[in-house]
Amino acid sequence: DQQVKQNSPSLSVQEGRISILNCDYTNSMFDYFLWYKKYPAEGPTFLISISSIKDKNEDGRFTVFLNKSAKHLSLHIVPSQPGDSAVYFCAASDGSGGSNYKLTFGKGTLLTVNP
Amino acid sequence: DAGITQSPRHKVTETGTPVTLRCHQTENHRYMYWYRQDPGHGLRLIHYSYGVKDTDKGEVSDGYSVSRSKTEDFLLTLESATSSQTSVYFCAISRNRDTNTEAFFGQGTRLTVV
Repeated sequence: DQQVKQNSPSLSVQEGRISILNCDYTNSMFDYFLWYKKYPAEGPTFLISISSIKDKNEDGRFTVFLNKSAKHLSLHIVPSQPGDSAVYFCAASDGSGGSNYKLTFGKGTLLTVNP
Repeated sequence: DAGITQSPRHKVTETGTPVTLRCHQTENHRYMYWYRQDPGHGLRLIHYSYGVKDTDKGEVSDGYSVSRSKTEDFLLTLESATSSQTSVYFCAISRNRDTNTEAFFGQGTRLTVV
C-alpha cells in the first residue's frame, strides 16, 4: 500500500509561470514532509520541508502548503525557470515512537519548464 | 554538499554473483539508509541503520543484507544478484531522529545484473 502518492507522473509549464506539484498521503502519523529535487545521474537534493504544525513554508521561489485534514501537500514554484526541470519527490516521516528517522517517498513527478 | 561517497558508481555483474556496495560518510551522522530507484516506483527503502551494528529492514529488503561496523561506513550486499536487482542505488544519511531532519543523498550507484 503506497503511503505517499504523487498522482501526476509529469507536468509541463511555461517559463515564468507557476508550477504546482501535488502529493497525497494516507498515514495520519506522518508529521514531517519534504520535497526533493533530482536531476538525471545525480542524487536527490533536499528542497524544502514543512512540519505538521504548520500549513505553509516559504523559501524564495518555493512554497510548500500542507492541508492535514485532506492529507495533501503541494509545492508551488513561482516563477518557474528552465533550470527547475527535474523530477520532484515528495517524502514524509512518522515521528511517533521514535521512528522518524526514515523517509517514505512518492514515485516522483517530472517537471519540464519550457523556455 | 554533505560528505557522502558511494562506490562503485557503476557496476555490471552476472546473475548469481555476490555484490557489495559501499557508502562512506564524513559527517558523523547517526542514521544511514539504502534506497533503490526504479522507473514507476520512485525511491524505496531497502535497509537502514540507526547506529553501529544497529540495522533494520525497509520495504524491499528481500535479497539484500547490510552491515555497519563503523559510523562512517554502511555496506549493502546482494548475496546472489538477480536481474530484478538491476537498479540505481542511493545511500542517504541523516543527523538525528528529531523532527525536522532531512536526509542527504549520495550520487548513486548504477548496478546492472546480466
